[in-house]
Amino acid sequence: AQKVTQAQTEISVVEKEDVTLDCVYETRDTTYYLFWYKQPPSGELVFLIRRNSFDEQNEISGRYSWNFQKSTSSFNFTITASQVVDSAVYFCALSETEWAGTGANNLFFGTGTRLTVIP
Amino acid sequence: SAVISQKPSRDICQRGTSLTIQCQVDSQVTMMFWYRQQPGQSLTLIATANQGSEATYESGFVIDKFPISRPNLTFSTLTVSNMSPEDSSIYLCSVLAGGPSNEQFFGPGTRLTVL
Repeated sequence: AQKVTQAQTEISVVEKEDVTLDCVYETRDTTYYLFWYKQPPSGELVFLIRRNSFDEQNEISGRYSWNFQKSTSSFNFTITASQVVDSAVYFCALSETEWAGTGANNLFFGTGTRLTVIP
Repeated sequence: SAVISQKPSRDICQRGTSLTIQCQVDSQVTMMFWYRQQPGQSLTLIATANQGSEATYESGFVIDKFPISRPNLTFSTLTVSNMSPEDSSIYLCSVLAGGPSNEQFFGPGTRLTVL
C-alpha cells in the first residue's frame, strides 16, 4: 500500500532563513512518481515538481531544491532565503501508476506542511 | 500547461439539496479527476472522469452520491447529491497534461459549505 508522510504539520521561519520540508513515502512499486505542490492562502494548488523513481538526481530551481533519496524513501524540499510569499501549505504526493494516459492515475497526498515565513 | 476553470468558485447550500460543479479545461485532456479537500485536511481522490463512459470511483465514494459527467475532452461535472454538513469541503478538478512533462494540474477549487 502507498503512503506519504509529512511529519511536520507546521513550520515557522524568519524571512531569509533556509527551510527544509520533509517527505517520506512508502510504495511497493519499483516505478513511481513523486510530486510537490504549493497551496497558498488563495487555495489553488500550484505544481512545483514531478520526479520519477529512476531519477535520483537532485534538482534546483531558483531558491527551491529537492533531494530524492531512494535509500531512505525520502523526497525533501528545501527553500533557501525564504520569503513571505513562500507562506503556504506544501503537499508531497506519490503516484504509482505509469503516466501512460490509460487507466486511473491516483495521486496520494501527504497531510501537508504549513509554512509561515515571518517578515 | 493547462488552464482549468471551475464554477461556482464557492457556494453555501442547504442540507438535502444537490450542487453541480463544472470544470472546463482550455485544451483537450485525456485524464480528468475530481478531488476533495476537507477543512484542514489533505486531498483525496473521489473519481476519475472517463470520457464516454462511467466514472471510476475510489473506495468510499459512490456514483449515487457523486455523479460525474464527462461529455467531451475539455469538460466535466461533479454533482454532490443530498448534501449534509459533512460534505463541506473544497472540490478540485484536476487534469493530466500530456507530453514529456506529464504534469498534473489542479483547478482553483469550489468551496462548498453545507448548512
